[in-house]
Amino acid sequence: QKEVEQDPGPLSVPEGAIVSLNCTYSNSAFQYFMWYRQYSRKGPELLMYTYSSGNKEDGRFTAQVDKSSKYISLFIRDSQPSDSATYLCAMSANYKLTFGKGTLLTVNP
Amino acid sequence: GAVVSQHPSRVICKSGTSVKIECRSLDFQATTMFWYRQFPKQSLMLMATSNEGSKATYEQGVEKDKFLINHASLTLSTLTVTSAHPEDSSFYICSATLPGLAGGVNTGELFFGEGSRLTVL
Repeated sequence: QKEVEQDPGPLSVPEGAIVSLNCTYSNSAFQYFMWYRQYSRKGPELLMYTYSSGNKEDGRFTAQVDKSSKYISLFIRDSQPSDSATYLCAMSANYKLTFGKGTLLTVNP
Repeated sequence: GAVVSQHPSRVICKSGTSVKIECRSLDFQATTMFWYRQFPKQSLMLMATSNEGSKATYEQGVEKDKFLINHASLTLSTLTVTSAHPEDSSFYICSATLPGLAGGVNTGELFFGEGSRLTVL
């Protein structure tokens, strides 16, 4: 079993939809949980990071962590065509990041 | 935010040749930079951690003699793929964390370059 599992999609939604992206993990040592956005042929950019279980909101984005289930989610409200990208989850322990494969999201106008 | 620049963005080379990729921090000094490789539909895989003025630390399974990393200054790290083969074709991305941001890696506060796509014929 890989340390971080992420459904690669692709996921296609209409503009304005609520998007749910998810990752599961197996390593209990992971302490920080992040979401990155990566546009085609570009490097990733950090969207959010969380430390504890619960929700963290930033504008239209909400990151959710459930450490008991080893499950994290990213919700995007009122999705826009500009949100079309690959979303990578990542987790860290001891100053080492482990990435998921990424989910390709397309928001259709 | 901090800017990390990579060059070239795309390179095509013949099998057996060597290719150098540069990673520069444009508006900050990066004592530590990281090199990742990303195959299509795969996750970013850390190849090595590059420390200014010292030898790079390679991840298990990464050949240090094949992927030469030099971090000669606080703003520049280079990755040289030596004797490249078609299986080395991939997207190579560097990243850096701001100096003094001890939790930078742990909290994912890395600044990534735009990546370099290598195609080996």
